[in-house]
Order: sequence, then structure tokens, then C-alpha cells
Amino acid sequence: EIVLTQTPLSLSVTPGQPASISCKSSQSLLHTDGNTYLYWYLQKPGQSPQLLIYGVSSRFSGVPDRFSGSGSGTDFTLTISRVEAEDVGVYYCMQGIHLPPFTFGPGTKVDIK
Amino acid sequence: QVQLQASGPRLVRPSQTLSLRCTVSGGSINTGSYYWHWIRQTAEEGLEWIGRVYRRGSTDYNPALQSRVTMSIDASENTFSLRLASLTAADTAVYYCARAAAAGPRRRAFDYWGQGIQVTVSS
Repeated sequence: EIVLTQTPLSLSVTPGQPASISCKSSQSLLHTDGNTYLYWYLQKPGQSPQLLIYGVSSRFSGVPDRFSGSGSGTDFTLTISRVEAEDVGVYYCMQGIHLPPFTFGPGTKVDIK
Repeated sequence: QVQLQASGPRLVRPSQTLSLRCTVSGGSINTGSYYWHWIRQTAEEGLEWIGRVYRRGSTDYNPALQSRVTMSIDASENTFSLRLASLTAADTAVYYCARAAAAGPRRRAFDYWGQGIQVTVSS
């Protein structure tokens, strides 16, 4: 089973400032089909998780362009260029290459200073 | 707009079997374009993938739960279901149903989630 590690586990950010979250995988997430099966989700308080990023760096429909994803192989980063109040919640990375099972990172809690 | 709605009992006794249903609206479940998933969440373990079912009833389960899990799909009612047997307190969690594309650029991404249902295992 692939293990995902996220750092930091919590983050307090001033509005308008950038924020970055790292996700490291115990195995490469690059598939032989050429795709990398790494995703990012945000779970806002009291809500279900929602998809932000798929395929490392593609934003899901309706996701603001202040969110970006990068990385390759085993190391990935989610960056928020300018944090807004509505971005608070827990961010999770997830892998979908070595199945079963899909596995999630432990989550990074982001709040506003 | 696709919507998923999980339903079922909120309280289940230890050793019993949990049965949950997810109703899909705004799109047909009987399409080869998507897999239909169950995921659960606890404060201790975080998000845990339980398994997935495809339109013809094929399934994949988390090896950690495989001996206790059964998933099925009912195209006539546009629903899919989860059964989890031999419950213990460790199965207390919020259970989510979700959809993921079977192919294409969003392959395996959980793009739509249900609202989650809190299930407590207690006598």
C-alpha cells in the first residue's frame, strides 16, 4: 500500500499571502500509461471533500486559478498564490495508481491568522 | 448537475451488518464512464477508501476490509450500495459515496461526493 506524507500538518496564513503544502509518496505515482495519478482535495468545515486538482496540476471545474499543483514521481506540492478566507479547511493529497486501495494523505489544516 | 445522496441507519449494533445506499441524481449510474465509490472518515484514521463498483457489478475492495465488504449496483433505481459486516466500534465513521471517471484526463478523480452520513457502532 502506498503511503502519502503531508507537510506541514497545520498552517496559519495571513490573507493575501501564499501557502504551500507538500505531499510525498512512498512509491512513484507515474503510471506506465504516462499519467501521474496524484490528486488534491479540500474539505471545508462541515462539508464533504471537494476535488481541486487532478493529474498533479489540472484544476477541476470552478477551482480558482490561485490554486496550482506541481511535482513528479514521488514529490508533489499544492500552492495557493494568495490565500483567501474561503480557503480554510483541510487539504488532502490522494494517489490512484497502485490499486487497490486508493490512499489519502493525513491532511493539512489551513486556517487564517 | 450530478448529486449523490447517502442514506441508511445512523446507529448500528456491534457484530451486525451496516447497509448504506447512495442515490445518484442528475445522471445515469448505468454508464461505462464512471466507477462508484464508498469512502469513510474518522478522526483517528482520516480518509479511508472502502471500495468501488462498476455498472455491471464488478467490484474492487480495500484489502483491509475485503472480507467484510460487499458492494452492488441497481441501475433500475440509479443507486449503489454498501454492506459492511461484523461491525465493531472501529467502524464508527462518516461514510461518503463518490463518483470517479473510468477514463480520460480525470480518471480516478473523485469529482462528486455525497454529503456523508455519520454511522455509530454501539450497543
